[in-house]
Amino acid sequence: QSALTQPASVSGSPGQSITISCTGTNSDVGGYDYVSWYQRHPGKAPKLLIYDVSNRPSGVSNRFSGSKSGNTASLSISGLQAEDEADYYCNSYTTSSPLDYIFGTGTKVTVL
Amino acid sequence: QVQLQESGPGLVKPSETLSLTCTVSGVSINSYSWSWIRLPPGKGLEWIGYIHYSGRTGYNPSLKSRFTMSLDTSKNQFSLKLRSMTAADTAVYYCASADSSLTHFVYWGQGTLVTVSS
Repeated sequence: QSALTQPASVSGSPGQSITISCTGTNSDVGGYDYVSWYQRHPGKAPKLLIYDVSNRPSGVSNRFSGSKSGNTASLSISGLQAEDEADYYCNSYTTSSPLDYIFGTGTKVTVL
Repeated sequence: QVQLQESGPGLVKPSETLSLTCTVSGVSINSYSWSWIRLPPGKGLEWIGYIHYSGRTGYNPSLKSRFTMSLDTSKNQFSLKLRSMTAADTAVYYCASADSSLTHFVYWGQGTLVTVSS
């Protein structure tokens, strides 16, 4: 497994809620509660949004939430805002794969 | 406030070696785990490898044979060398740190674009 699978793009109108999926295998997403999510605006440093499936670092808006079911993790954004338009990546930390960290393919979120 | 800043050449010729340095401020490099991650154009993030302050390392198997990481505690920096560069190595290179849990990347640099071209 070289990359976790994410939808290429997700869009929504301001105020709406969207969900981004991240699908892996029993060896990564499904095997550990170590999924994290990152937001990347062009030209800026990626920002940690969620760690260990559903934990939010201090300072991250509670509009962002994470969950997991089986081999699929999800990032939900509620009350969509223009500033949420960015690329989003999931990541799984694993000790059973040749790769210690596996990133998702990335999802472009567009605010309509 | 923890900050990471990448530095290195923006242009590398094919077959040459890329050398990048990440300067860390706000925390001692004698803690945590330090990683390199890259973003090729039109593709997703790819983890390259990490070096733990204890000296333990981990590498992406697809790059392991070409890749070396090191820590310079006197300068609070860590670095990477990637040998035999090709056009496929063109990417934005990020340095990042994971905390003691190792499960996620807490701090990131802004990234530096490296282009491989003659």
